[in-house]
Amino acid sequence: AQSVSQHNHHVILSEAASLELGCNYSYGGTVNLFWYVQYPGQHLQLLLKYFSGDPLVKGIKGFEAEFIKSKFSFNLRKPSVQWSDTAEYFCAVIGSNDYKLSFGAGTTVTVRA
Amino acid sequence: NAGVMQNPRHLVRRRGQEARLRCSPMKGHSHVYWYRQLPEEGLKFMVYLQKENIIDESGMPKERFSAEFPKEGPSILRIQQVVRGDSAAYFCASSPETANSYEQYFGPGTRLTVT
Repeated sequence: AQSVSQHNHHVILSEAASLELGCNYSYGGTVNLFWYVQYPGQHLQLLLKYFSGDPLVKGIKGFEAEFIKSKFSFNLRKPSVQWSDTAEYFCAVIGSNDYKLSFGAGTTVTVRA
Repeated sequence: NAGVMQNPRHLVRRRGQEARLRCSPMKGHSHVYWYRQLPEEGLKFMVYLQKENIIDESGMPKERFSAEFPKEGPSILRIQQVVRGDSAAYFCASSPETANSYEQYFGPGTRLTVT
């Protein structure tokens, strides 16, 4: 069975600090990988996705993620966060012929002004 | 182009009552997925439906839970005789028929509280 592990439950940092959120997955096959963000009171939004090709993926709002196949990891990064990046971030995985997204437990990011 | 709509956004039910959660997929989407997020956990797959068909309900509890996606109208997730453990956020997602099913677009969720 596939599973997704997010390393941090809650991250607190100051504006302009760099952010890295860890995500590891377990799956016996080809996967597609996602990071979703949920701002307070809003729906889940897709930040970025990896299907194939360049393992360094650029997303919206200055986020990027790197797929390292040998480490089964898909870590999310942003060089300089803003207060508006305060949200909950979810890593998700789906098999290439599947329809069930598997989510990590989420990481709450609080950015202090 | 409206996104996935869910209502109500918040629902409070007493133990033993029924909860009905509605999901209207994006225009042109015919695949609907329901996920549940329990406190401190990630979203977990519950059921996958196409119009008038349940494709996979392997994530649904065996009792009290049911889902439908009729030919006309929204998809409904129904929970009978709710218990405190049903308190969670329920998310609906949809995808278009022509795309891969992993391109799922999520609604804002319904937060169910059972008192």
